Parts: sequence; structure tokens; C-alpha cells
Amino acid sequence: GESVGLHLPTLSVQEGDNSIINCAYSNSASDYFIWYKQESGKGPQFIIDIRSNMDKRQGQRVTVLLNKTVKHLSLQIAATQPGDSAVYFCAENMANGGSQGNLIFGKGTKLSVKP
Amino acid sequence: EAQVTQNPRYLITVTGKKLTVTCSQNMNHEYMSWYRQDPGLGLRQIYYSMNVEVTDKGDVPEGYKVSRKEKRNFPLILESPSPNQTSLYFCASSSPIQGRAFFGQGTRLTVV
Repeated sequence: GESVGLHLPTLSVQEGDNSIINCAYSNSASDYFIWYKQESGKGPQFIIDIRSNMDKRQGQRVTVLLNKTVKHLSLQIAATQPGDSAVYFCAENMANGGSQGNLIFGKGTKLSVKP
Repeated sequence: EAQVTQNPRYLITVTGKKLTVTCSQNMNHEYMSWYRQDPGLGLRQIYYSMNVEVTDKGDVPEGYKVSRKEKRNFPLILESPSPNQTSLYFCASSSPIQGRAFFGQGTRLTVV
């Protein structure tokens, strides 16, 4: 598979535990944020998004928290499973209205789930 | 099935030999982008297009060209590839209303 995990921060968790992946974003004017999951050999896949008028959004087993005061985004994964092992990226959108043309990605965090 | 399709998946070429990586999406998305992914540097945007015949430079456009003659296609052109363009490339598309980008499977390019 593709080696996208080199030199990345790594989070190692036990199967069944909750995972929290953090991301600091750069622009206080960003109004749309996305979390992506990238498995080895594949392109990034959408997990969950949140707009700046919210501070929390929940999906299936995932929750995204947004703290605009400190420009911080987190992804919480409940009951982490081996299939959650991947590199996780946050992305921010620098333009109003969610223009994908201006998505800026973080460097990524590698999540390893121990059985 | 909604998807973004890139070709080829793997390519080894020599310095200076022009190449094109194709990208096609079937979701009628207005926005399309090209990214390169390198260890320790994450995803960096090369070019993006907000609609047909509208393209703009991203963060690392040097050495690349794009075109958007049709809504569904957004090819990436390397007129004279160099070894520092060895990388993993991703095409993505999205709609302005939805915002989130859908990515292709990637193209691993090696320039020797």
C-alpha cells in the first residue's frame, strides 16, 4: 500500500476504547471543516463535517468538536475498531460558502488500533 | 455509483517526457482539484477549477498545467516532469452547496 503515514503523529489505542484525534487550524475566517480518513492505498474518504456556526456534530460512532476560540478541531471515535486504523486528516475551508477550491489540509494523524 | 476516477494508478516515466493524468467525475460537480501528497507534507493543492474553463493555482502549481474543457474531466499535465514531481497525486471534486470533496484513488508517479 501507499506509505502516507511516514513522519506523522501516531495515536495508538486498544480496540474498544475511544479515540480522540486533534487538529489545530490556521485561519480564524475558515467557516467549514471536514475530517477525512485515508486507508493505505486509497484516497481520502469523507467522515464528518461541521460549519462554524456549530460547536459539535455527531455521526455514527464519530463526533466532531469545534472550538473557534482556540482554533481547534477534534474527532472522537467511539468504541474504536481495527477497521478504524488509518491516517486522519482535518481540512479547513478558507472561503465563505464552502468553496472546495480552497480546502487546506492538516498533516494528518495515524491511528493504530491494537486488537 | 458516485465516484472520481483517475488514470493511471501507477506511472513510471523519465525526466522531460510529457505526461497527462486523467480525472473524471460522474457527480456533475462544479469544483475539481488536484493535490499531491508527500510524506511529512500532507496534501497540498496544485490547481483547482470552480467550473468549466475556470482554473486557478493552488499552493504548488509550478511544473503543472490543467484544463477544464468539460465539467466531468480535469486532466493534470506535466509538460516536462522532473524527479521532484515524484509523488502521490489525488483528484477531488465537490459541489458548492455540499462542500465536502470526493477523492479519486490516487496516482503514484515516479520520475527517474
